[in-house]
Parts: sequence; C-alpha cells; structure tokens
Amino acid sequence: SQQGEEDPQALSIQEGENATMNCSYKTSINNLQWYRQNSGRGLVHLILIRSNEREKHSGRLRVTLDTSKKSSSLLITASRAADTASYFCATFGTGANNLFFGTGTRLTVIP
Amino acid sequence: DTAVSQTPKYLVTQMGNDKSIKCEQNLGHDTMYWYKQDSKKFLKIMFSYNNKELIINETVPNRFSPKSPDKAHLNLHINSLELGDSAVYFCASSHGRDTQYFGPGTRLTVL
Repeated sequence: SQQGEEDPQALSIQEGENATMNCSYKTSINNLQWYRQNSGRGLVHLILIRSNEREKHSGRLRVTLDTSKKSSSLLITASRAADTASYFCATFGTGANNLFFGTGTRLTVIP
Repeated sequence: DTAVSQTPKYLVTQMGNDKSIKCEQNLGHDTMYWYKQDSKKFLKIMFSYNNKELIINETVPNRFSPKSPDKAHLNLHINSLELGDSAVYFCASSHGRDTQYFGPGTRLTVL
C-alpha cells in the first residue's frame, strides 16, 4: 500500500500553542501535499513540497520534508480555534497517476 | 465562482438502485479524480481521468463507472447500490501532479 500514516491520530492544544503533525510514507515521491478538512466539508490545499525541497513556509504553516526518512511534518504556529480540523498528508509517488492520502490527524484547538 | 462543484450534496437511496453524481470544474485543469471517504475519514482514490485516459483503482467494483463528456466534467455512475457504498464521495481536479482542488462532497446513504 502506498498510503501514508500520520502521527498523532488526534491532537488537542490550547489556542496560541504550536501544533506539529508528522507523516510517514513508503515509496519514492514526486511531491508531498498537506490538506485541511473541516468537519463536513471538502479538502482545502495548504502546501505542496517537491521531493527536491526540504522546507516550505506559508503564513503560520511550516512544512519539512526528509526524503531519506520518508517523512514530513506540518507545524502550525500560534494556533487559533479556527485551525480545528483534520489534516491530511498526501503523496504523489514517482510514476504514479494520483495522490495517496494518509490517515489524517484530528486537531482540536481549545479557545 | 465555485471552482469544483458537485451535485447532489446529499443522496439517499435504496439498495439496488442506480445513481449518478455530477462533477464540474471551471479551472481549466487537465486531470479529474473521484475519491471515496469512509466513516473513518480514510480517503481512497477511485479514478483519475486525464486527457481521456482513465486510470482505475483496481479495488473499485465495476459497478462504479466514471463518465467524462468533456474535460470540465467527470460524472460518477453507480449501478446496483449496496449498503457498503454509503460514504462521502469527493471530486477533485488538478493540472498534472500539482495541487488538487476538491469539490464539497456528496454524502451518499444507501438504505
């Protein structure tokens, strides 16, 4: 299976704290993408990081990629209640035709 | 304007019926996808469709068939619905292997 795994499965923090989610995958990749899903809604793209990149930033989001360990992390700084959602990593494998999604991390930010 | 739209948003039907879900994207993307999200929130690729080339996930029953009248549309037709087909179905589109844009989802309930 090319499915990634995310850790932790659930995370609960206080508003203002940082949240870190990790993703591990199994195959070589072209790129890795992070998505957010609010309850009952569709997925929203956050960041795409290519296999030759090691770190990317977007606002309060920071993504790292370690292809030697086949892992990535998503850091959300200064979390807000509105960040409460499920976060998924997804990999586009080398030679693949589609994304394979991880199992997701459910983040709850307590006001 | 909505980038990726799906209809209907909710679909409740009896076992054995045939139903269709429609998807349209106005982003000019060349690739469209269908995903199934089960009750545990696991997102699984069903089909990807690029320039009339259909890539099928081998685990998808042949009761499911995608139909693409043109590049902007990828509809999902399901024959002989079963209880296990109950899930949320998401359409998405992208330009090649880049960011995927998801529709709002169709919640299918089979009674």
